[in-house]
Amino acid sequence: AQSVAQPEDQVNVAEGNPLTVKCTYSVSGNPYLFWYVQYPNRGLQFLLKYITGDNLVKGSYGFEAEFNKSQTSFHLKKPSALVSDSALYFCAVRDPRGFKTIFGAGTRLFVKA
Amino acid sequence: NAGVTQTPKFQVLKTGQSMTLQCAQDMNHNSMYWYRQDPGMGLRLIYYSASEGTTDKGEVPNGYNVSRLNKREFSLRLESAAPSQTSVYFCASSDPRGGAGNQPQHFGDGTRLSIL
Repeated sequence: AQSVAQPEDQVNVAEGNPLTVKCTYSVSGNPYLFWYVQYPNRGLQFLLKYITGDNLVKGSYGFEAEFNKSQTSFHLKKPSALVSDSALYFCAVRDPRGFKTIFGAGTRLFVKA
Repeated sequence: NAGVTQTPKFQVLKTGQSMTLQCAQDMNHNSMYWYRQDPGMGLRLIYYSASEGTTDKGEVPNGYNVSRLNKREFSLRLESAAPSQTSVYFCASSDPRGGAGNQPQHFGDGTRLSIL
């Protein structure tokens, strides 16, 4: 069965510093991987996805993520954090052979000015 | 540019009452989903509709029913609400182009439901 883990409930970073939000997954075969962001009282918004090809994918708002097949990880990164990046981030995985997308529990990012 | 619209935004029910949550999308997407979001548990799939005329159970379907009214609308019904169904409910849709799996889902802003 497919699953996704976000090992950190919360990540704190100072504005201007690089940030990393971790995600590991379990799925047989080659997965489809996604990152979403959620702001207060809003629905999830798509940031980026990995389907195939280059292991480093770039997305919205300067975010990027690195797919590592051997470590079954898909960590979200940004070189320089902004206070406005403070939000709840969700990693999601889908087995291409199925239909359902599984979401992680979410990681709350706090960026301090 | 509405995207996915959910109504109502907030609702308080008493145990045993029934209610229907409405969802509509204007992006001509074939697939639609209902999730619930609870603290520390991420999003859990309740039901989904791969295309108009079809619905299937997700991870937590008990206590819920759905109707895919047409391509645009997908409703979620609680027949007899229970306190355990207090949650934030999200509707989402996706574009089947390129295969349904590799396209992101588009989410509404949620319905915050409290059951006393």
